[in-house]
Amino acid sequence: GAVVSQHPSWVICKSGTSVKIECRSLDFQATTMFWYRQFPKQSLMLMATSNEGSKATYEQGVEKDKFLINHASLTLSTLTVTSAHPEDSSFYICSASTLTGELFFGEGSRLTVL
Amino acid sequence: DAKTTQPTSMDCAEGRAANLPCNHSTISGNEYVYWYRQIHSQGPQYIIHGLKNNETNEMASLIITEDRKSSTLILPHATLRDTAVYYCIVEETSGSRLTFGEGTQLTVNP
Repeated sequence: GAVVSQHPSWVICKSGTSVKIECRSLDFQATTMFWYRQFPKQSLMLMATSNEGSKATYEQGVEKDKFLINHASLTLSTLTVTSAHPEDSSFYICSASTLTGELFFGEGSRLTVL
Repeated sequence: DAKTTQPTSMDCAEGRAANLPCNHSTISGNEYVYWYRQIHSQGPQYIIHGLKNNETNEMASLIITEDRKSSTLILPHATLRDTAVYYCIVEETSGSRLTFGEGTQLTVNP
């Protein structure tokens, strides 16, 4: 089946630094990718929708200048958490939509900000 | 507003069928019912989806009531590896943004 890969799977960083998380569709072209955030014992919360070659659409309450999303190709979207703080520690998950509308999720990236 | 309502948790004995209910009384005619599950610290995994007919695949069966206001996901022979949070989602297409509710924590016991 289709595979979506995230990298890194986990990252620890110091407060104030920026962290980039990659989401790749390995065997299909993803017209749309979605970024979610999940805090412990909570459900997934949609952060933004990114379409290849255009600006991402952010959900209400998500700061676009803090969570930079780039979808430069049909197989790669990146989420950069800028000036990360401990409250940004979370499990970040991406999903990718195929041209036929199927959706596949990545394995998730766990961010810990010290 | 939540589109679906699921029990917070359920237990099931290994080898028995697990029946997970979901209420979606406000579902519209062009919305599908999707089921995903999330094993701890992993990304969600697609299980099955349906519009109005019952569906079955290698993982599970989906039973949708005639009025489409509720559905049941059936894992015919639950194993310990089926322990996960199961999410019932209603959405027009799977390729669109999915809104996850709280889901049901299914624990399969030996």
